[in-house]
Amino acid sequence: DSGVTQTPKHLITATGQRVTLRCSPRSGDLSVYWYQQSLDQGLQFLIQYYNGEERAKGNILERFSAQQFPDLHSELNLSSLELGDSALYFCASSVVGTGGMNTEAFFGQGTRLTVV
Amino acid sequence: KNQVEQSPQSLIILEGKNCTLQCNYTVSPFSNLRWYKQDTGRGPVSLTIMTFSENTKSNGRYTATLDADTKQSSLHITASQLSDSASYICVVSAPRGGADGLTFGKGTHLIIQP
Repeated sequence: DSGVTQTPKHLITATGQRVTLRCSPRSGDLSVYWYQQSLDQGLQFLIQYYNGEERAKGNILERFSAQQFPDLHSELNLSSLELGDSALYFCASSVVGTGGMNTEAFFGQGTRLTVV
Repeated sequence: KNQVEQSPQSLIILEGKNCTLQCNYTVSPFSNLRWYKQDTGRGPVSLTIMTFSENTKSNGRYTATLDADTKQSSLHITASQLSDSASYICVVSAPRGGADGLTFGKGTHLIIQP
């Protein structure tokens, strides 16, 4: 158990709908990262929050948005869903930002989103 | 453009055998390299982390090597077990803050057969 909790584990929804994925980081971790993993694809970085503020942005669509709340949990909002949005969405947390620091990012178990 | 290429894309070996997975990267400047293990449908779990000054690091039956000059890393698995069946992902980070400093490989899908 990494200590990072994601809910729900599975989500099935129709095209055009909006969903919210939730992530609770490990206790004490200030950074939260969101990743998308489509079938047979590598992990694609979407966005990072650090202590409530957006820190870095990756290949995140305009239909997607995220936020980190004062209690440090984060939510990823996906709207106007398309079939191609079906994927595993992972959240990771670390004490500080990664990159230059040898700080490990711990991943949650992911939310499997299926758009039908 | 920073890239991480892993090979082979997939690998099937018999239980008890050894195998080596490769990772070539073009990330520059370079800060550190991580190998993750990802079981199907689950989140990646870190196996090793190496900085540019480290040549090798072990974690049980897993041994990672790094050649920062040639920008190559390998992950050697000894005496494979059925539980080693997973995807192994190489992640390289640049020395700047934020997750945008991370570049992920697409992974090697390893299957251990009894």
